[in-house]
Amino acid sequence: EVQLVESGGNLVQPGGSLRLSCAASGFAFSRYAMSWVRQAPGKGLQWVSAMSATGGSTYFADSLKGRFTISRDNSMNTLYLQMNSLRAEDTAVYYCAKVKDSSTWYEGGFDNWGQGTLVTVSS
Amino acid sequence: DIQMTQSPSSLSAFVGDRVTITCRAGQSISTYLNWYQQKPGKAPKLLIYAASTLESGVPSRFSGSGSGTDFTLTISSLQPEDFATYYCQQSYGTPPTFGQGTKVGIK
Repeated sequence: EVQLVESGGNLVQPGGSLRLSCAASGFAFSRYAMSWVRQAPGKGLQWVSAMSATGGSTYFADSLKGRFTISRDNSMNTLYLQMNSLRAEDTAVYYCAKVKDSSTWYEGGFDNWGQGTLVTVSS
Repeated sequence: DIQMTQSPSSLSAFVGDRVTITCRAGQSISTYLNWYQQKPGKAPKLLIYAASTLESGVPSRFSGSGSGTDFTLTISSLQPEDFATYYCQQSYGTPPTFGQGTKVGIK
């Protein structure tokens, strides 16, 4: 059974930093691209960032470039999201999601999601 | 970015009703369209990918159709467990983008 477990969400002040983790199990983690998708309270879904299976390529939403960094440790089956210069509008539940098709980083949709971790940016 | 627009934003229906949700893309996306179901406090769940392929384990009362810019998600006979918010998502261009969601409520 595929499991994705996010952690690291917390209350942080504007301008602060946070690192999220996503521990994966139940599938060949090193074969799949992974994404982060967020959902602000009461709002819809917004794709944030993705990393290819090998870690050689990264992708970001334009609005987040320069503030967020994505990385992965295939030996630990873990995906990370480093978030810097956090703003109130970054407040959201952050989900990690596995791409369905191992040959691409986004086609075919996201077939497995974690339970999410809440990031609150507030003074 | 490819804009995805769902309609309606919300609807109310009875158990047993046939429900249709529409998703329109801002440009042609072939059949690179996926549908998700999300219940309150839970992660989204993939229902349909490539516009019309049912994800494993998803009940056959769910179906998807369309290509190009216009797509539909149909629930043939609404069940109590289907009351949720539904999102479409395009996987044709980057970044992947989602519709704003359609909340299906109880009438």
